[in-house]
Amino acid sequence: QKEVEQDPGPLSVPEGAIVSLNCTYSNSAFQYFMWYRQYSRKGPELLMYTYSSGNKEDGRFTAQVDKSSKYISLFIRDSQPSDSATYLCAMNAGGTSYGKLTFGQGTILTVHP
Amino acid sequence: GAGVSQSPSNKVTEKGKDVELRCDPISGHTALYWYRQSLGQGLEFLIYFQGNSAPDKSGLPSDRFSAERTGGSVSTLTIQRTQQEDSAVYLCASSLIPSDTQYFGPGTRLTVL
Repeated sequence: QKEVEQDPGPLSVPEGAIVSLNCTYSNSAFQYFMWYRQYSRKGPELLMYTYSSGNKEDGRFTAQVDKSSKYISLFIRDSQPSDSATYLCAMNAGGTSYGKLTFGQGTILTVHP
Repeated sequence: GAGVSQSPSNKVTEKGKDVELRCDPISGHTALYWYRQSLGQGLEFLIYFQGNSAPDKSGLPSDRFSAERTGGSVSTLTIQRTQQEDSAVYLCASSLIPSDTQYFGPGTRLTVL
């Protein structure tokens, strides 16, 4: 069983929809949680970074962490065709493991006009 | 400024040959990471360099894989006696310090025939 599970989709939504992306994890040592966006043939780019349980909002994006359930989410409001990409959750335990990110499989999202 | 660059962008090789993949991190970044992204496995950590410390090699899948970082800057990932299962996109990332955002390069797409 993988340490981080993410539904690979694909997910197809109309423009303007609210998108919910989720990951579950099994390693209780994970403390830092990230969402990356990856366009085709490009490297991942950081979207959101959170530490500990709670919500963090940045424009149309909200990241949510529930450490008690080992569950993280990314919500995208008013989705746009330019949001079409693969979304990857990532996490690490901090300390000497700072550099070692563990990723989910990635969810392929398509937002159609 | 310039981002992380990787070369070559594509590499096709025959089974059993050795390959070298190069990464130029962002200038001044002390930490450098290699990941592998394949359809079946998602994005996996391979190795992590931080300053002059011994690298964290815990993600290397076999002793056919090695990496070095010269002068605290450029890094080379070497795969000896390539196998078909080595076919993947190899991504390099760098960060200013280990706890900081990792910036990814565009990757090298390796195909082993």
